Amino acid sequence: RKEVEQDPGPFNVPEGATVAFNCTYSNSASQSFFWYRQDCRKEPKLLMSVYSSGNEDGRFTAQLNRASQYISLLIRDSKLSDSATYLCVVNRGDSSYKLIFGSGTRLLVRP
Amino acid sequence: GAGVSQSPSNKVTEKGKDVELRCDPISGHTALYWYRQSLGQGLEFLIYFQGNSAPDKSGLPSDRFSAERTGGSVSTLTIQRTQQEDSAVYLCATSAGINEQYFGPGTRLTVT
Repeated sequence: RKEVEQDPGPFNVPEGATVAFNCTYSNSASQSFFWYRQDCRKEPKLLMSVYSSGNEDGRFTAQLNRASQYISLLIRDSKLSDSATYLCVVNRGDSSYKLIFGSGTRLLVRP
Repeated sequence: GAGVSQSPSNKVTEKGKDVELRCDPISGHTALYWYRQSLGQGLEFLIYFQGNSAPDKSGLPSDRFSAERTGGSVSTLTIQRTQQEDSAVYLCATSAGINEQYFGPGTRLTVT
């Protein structure tokens, strides 16, 4: 079983739609959680951290469910510029600083 | 402030040659990571530095790969006797402890 699992997609949605991605992680000791965005042929960039109480940044909302070990990302009012691959990321939960990156969910927003 | 920088941005080399890839971290970031990403694939962890030491080298694919970090700053990833399967984008990331990582733009390596 992969340490971080994501649906690879692609999710193909029209502009203005609301779309949600889920991610599951296997290590119950993980303490830090993030969503990264990666555009085609570019490096991953931090989109947002995920806090236990859930957090929102503009059109983006992240939720964490520790009991079920999953993380979600909700994008409201999708823009064409949201088209990218979204990476779910968790830390190892040990003394290392390593982060484990999911393989990503691809989002395509069409006009 | 300045982000993570990597050089060269592109490298084309002949099979069997050695290559060196460089990463300049964000100032003050003690942790440094190397990843590899093949076209259409996810990130593959290679090695992690804390200061100048590498507590985790588990992702290095073979003994042709090595990395060092000096002065707690610049890191170099060396690939000896390159093979075609080494072609990928090599990404460096740095972090200030157990927080989020920031990536450089990567080095696109093509082995012909």
